[in-house]
Amino acid sequence: NAGVTQTPKFQVLKTGQSMTLQCAQDMNHNSMYWYRQDPGMRLRLIYYSASEGTTDKGEVPNGYNVSRLNKREFSLRLESAAPSQTSVYFCASSEEGTGETEAFFGQGTRLTVV
Amino acid sequence: SQKIEQNSEALNIQEGKTATLTCNYTNYSPAYLQWYRQDPGRGPVFLLLIRENEKEKRKERLKVTFDTTLKQSLFHITASQPADSATYLCALGGTGRRALTFGSGTRLQVQP
Repeated sequence: NAGVTQTPKFQVLKTGQSMTLQCAQDMNHNSMYWYRQDPGMRLRLIYYSASEGTTDKGEVPNGYNVSRLNKREFSLRLESAAPSQTSVYFCASSEEGTGETEAFFGQGTRLTVV
Repeated sequence: SQKIEQNSEALNIQEGKTATLTCNYTNYSPAYLQWYRQDPGRGPVFLLLIRENEKEKRKERLKVTFDTTLKQSLFHITASQPADSATYLCALGGTGRRALTFGSGTRLQVQP
């Protein structure tokens, strides 16, 4: 049982480049999330998807776009990367989003924008 | 706006002792409070969930309390081991919420 799989694990981008972070879960969860974690700071929600076909902004959505491709996959796109987007990105999933069920996290993508 | 506070300073304790970590929150009344463990370079891993109508929850050496009057949760690890060294995050959720909101975590270091 793989759980939540993120790719890539590491990425270096130049300012202005674009890239897509991929995430897939095999637990048949309805809700999926993208968080970013900066050093010494809490996880902050970028976007979430409560169900297939729906996406909503979180706390820090600027500079990002998402796609809930199907129930399994939720991708995060940086259209024009900026140094402020240097961070560790975590994808997560859960049965539902209220917090009544546990969330499962991927291993993270460490992104550096130079 | 809601705020979650966890001790930013690391907690250092001796092996075998009980570690107690604190999570305080303001401007919110969560229906659910969860605790996660995060190791360096890894994603958070779920440990325990406690509901607003529950005072205490236990799982093996772990115990969580939830005081909705004080707006505080305490997380205890009894008979701590060096392998318990990690950062521990609390997270809040509730009816109408769409995702968990996390605290910044407390790093626990258990000395052998």
